[in-house]
Amino acid sequence: NAGVTQTPKFQVLKTGQSMTLQCAQDMNHEYMSWYRQDPGMGLRLIHYSVGAGITDQGEVPNGYNVSRSTTEDFPLRLLSAAPSQTSVYFCASGGETQYFGPGTRLLVL
Amino acid sequence: GENVEQHPSTLSVQEGDSAVIKCTYSDSASNYFPWYKQELGKGPQLIIDIRSNVGEKKDQRIAVTLNKTAKHFSLHITETQPEDSAVYFCAASKVAGYKLSFGAGTTVTVRA
Repeated sequence: NAGVTQTPKFQVLKTGQSMTLQCAQDMNHEYMSWYRQDPGMGLRLIHYSVGAGITDQGEVPNGYNVSRSTTEDFPLRLLSAAPSQTSVYFCASGGETQYFGPGTRLLVL
Repeated sequence: GENVEQHPSTLSVQEGDSAVIKCTYSDSASNYFPWYKQELGKGPQLIIDIRSNVGEKKDQRIAVTLNKTAKHFSLHITETQPEDSAVYFCAASKVAGYKLSFGAGTTVTVRA
């Protein structure tokens, strides 16, 4: 099993650009989630999904969209990037135990 | 929503000594408390967890204690080794693994 995979590993965007962070898991988990990690603030929940076709907002959803068309994939979309979205983004999947991907480091100039 | 506070933010210990990290939470409905270890450049990895019906849990050199009345829980690492150097996060949720709220993290450095 590859576990949770995320692409890209690193991305630089200009303010106003859009992009999609990819997340995939091969463990057949229904629950998937996105977090952002900022210095001194731990991990904060952006969006989560309890199964294909079902998504909901977490603590910091503004500026981000998600969709869940398959069990395996849970992409995170930034429609118009802002410098405040500079962060490290982690995708996770699991049941009682959450498995985190390796992260995507995003820099918005 | 749930608010989890974690102390200290940094901790330096001599190899072989013990390390203790403390967390408090605000929502009395929370009943699942995991601890994650994050090594440089990697995602967090679960190292131990505890549920509200248990006061203490041990796994080799790590242990977690929970005081539901006071709404605080702690991670104890004994006989620290260089490979214990990492960032540790506590978290809390009402349902195990679901909508976790994280503390700010503790950077642990084990000095050889």
